[in-house]
Amino acid sequence: DQQVKQNSPSLSVQEGRISILNCDYTNSMFDYFLWYKKYPAEGPTFLISISSIKDKNEDGRFTVFLNKSAKHLSLHIVPSQPGDSAVYFCAARLNYGGSQGNLIFGKGTKLSVKP
Amino acid sequence: NAGVTQTPKFQVLKTGQSMTLQCAQDMNHNSMYWYRQDPGMGLRLIYYSASEGTTDKGEVPNGYNVSRLNKREFSLRLESAAPSQTSVYFCASRTTGQLNTEAFFGQGTRLTVV
Repeated sequence: DQQVKQNSPSLSVQEGRISILNCDYTNSMFDYFLWYKKYPAEGPTFLISISSIKDKNEDGRFTVFLNKSAKHLSLHIVPSQPGDSAVYFCAARLNYGGSQGNLIFGKGTKLSVKP
Repeated sequence: NAGVTQTPKFQVLKTGQSMTLQCAQDMNHNSMYWYRQDPGMGLRLIYYSASEGTTDKGEVPNGYNVSRLNKREFSLRLESAAPSQTSVYFCASRTTGQLNTEAFFGQGTRLTVV
């Protein structure tokens, strides 16, 4: 059973518009959430994160929103640029018992930004 | 600053052969991880090491072994490769504890088992 779900395998957006990538989770013990970006033939790179005690975190064109009651987070990219075309992974940290704070990843959403 | 370095970048194995994937980090991180990425499956944790001298199973450990050689190095071994182990393997490291920290990933090893 998936604990971190990215239900949209792909998303296509026009350059300059907003990209919204969504992520749902099932475990209320997640306390830290991260977004990673991955280009082909490269490793994932960290993009932005949010603690469960916050509902918004902003870094330049990237904003992550967290709705704990709905167990939902989203990544907003404004404005979208062709260089943002990549696979985006949502990840959550499970931090209790013997879990050692491992990150659990969703399946990813492939974003295509068209010029 | 190299970050996380994985070797090799590509490998083709025959079924039944063995090999070791190497990973080293230079960021003084205490925790290290091995993930595999398969189409439509995201990143799945194979094994992890929370600190030097400790290793634990992740979500998909069958068919693999690991060694945390020292604080810098964490290797993944396939004793008898199977076609189901064809995948892209990523090593990662991070500082764990009370801090909110991200994981840093290597460039990946693309493994094909024929």
